[in-house]
Amino acid sequence: QKEVEQNSGPLSVPEGAIASLNCTYSDRVSQSFFWYRQYSGKSPELIMSIYSNGDKEDGRFTAQLNKASQYVSLLIRDSQPSDSATYLCASPSEGTSYGKLTFGQGTILTVHP
Amino acid sequence: NAGVTQTPKFRILKIGQSMTLQCTQDMNHNYMYWYRQDPGMGLKLIYYSVGAGITDKGEVPNGYNVSRSIQKTPLRLELAAPSQTSVYFCASSYSALTQETQYFGPGTRLLVL
Repeated sequence: QKEVEQNSGPLSVPEGAIASLNCTYSDRVSQSFFWYRQYSGKSPELIMSIYSNGDKEDGRFTAQLNKASQYVSLLIRDSQPSDSATYLCASPSEGTSYGKLTFGQGTILTVHP
Repeated sequence: NAGVTQTPKFRILKIGQSMTLQCTQDMNHNYMYWYRQDPGMGLKLIYYSVGAGITDKGEVPNGYNVSRSIQKTPLRLELAAPSQTSVYFCASSYSALTQETQYFGPGTRLLVL
């Protein structure tokens, strides 16, 4: 059974700081990873996806993937109170060819003014 | 374009009762999914569907049944149990390619007493 583990939270950072969220996975075959943001009482929304080793940047968000270490992270620069949410890491459950996602348990991020 | 819609938003069931959670998408997506999210946890896949009339089990299918038409995939709970207290999310995607975004509905909160 594939596992996706996220670093224990909750994580609290001051406004303007860098928030670092981490995720490890057990399946070496995994090719793609997704970061979803979920506000309290709302549904998840996709904010980043990454398929290749290295960094991928989108605005204030940077996803980092290290397949050798089976590690994926999400950095949020210049954190804002509006970034306060639960962040979920996910990866397809069966290699690369299916849309079934395995999710981590989530990390709660709080950005305080 | 409403995206993915779910009804009801909230429901209380007594042990042993049954109910159907409704999910509809209007994005001409082929793939549809049902997840459940227990408090403080990530999402777990209950069932998924690759097209009308085709469904398959996910990670936690016991106690649930689904069907699928082109735009709808109702999730049936038979003999509700307290362990089924959760938030249920329906999602859809155009394909199962690893790059494909899954769009989530607003969720149904179910409490079984």
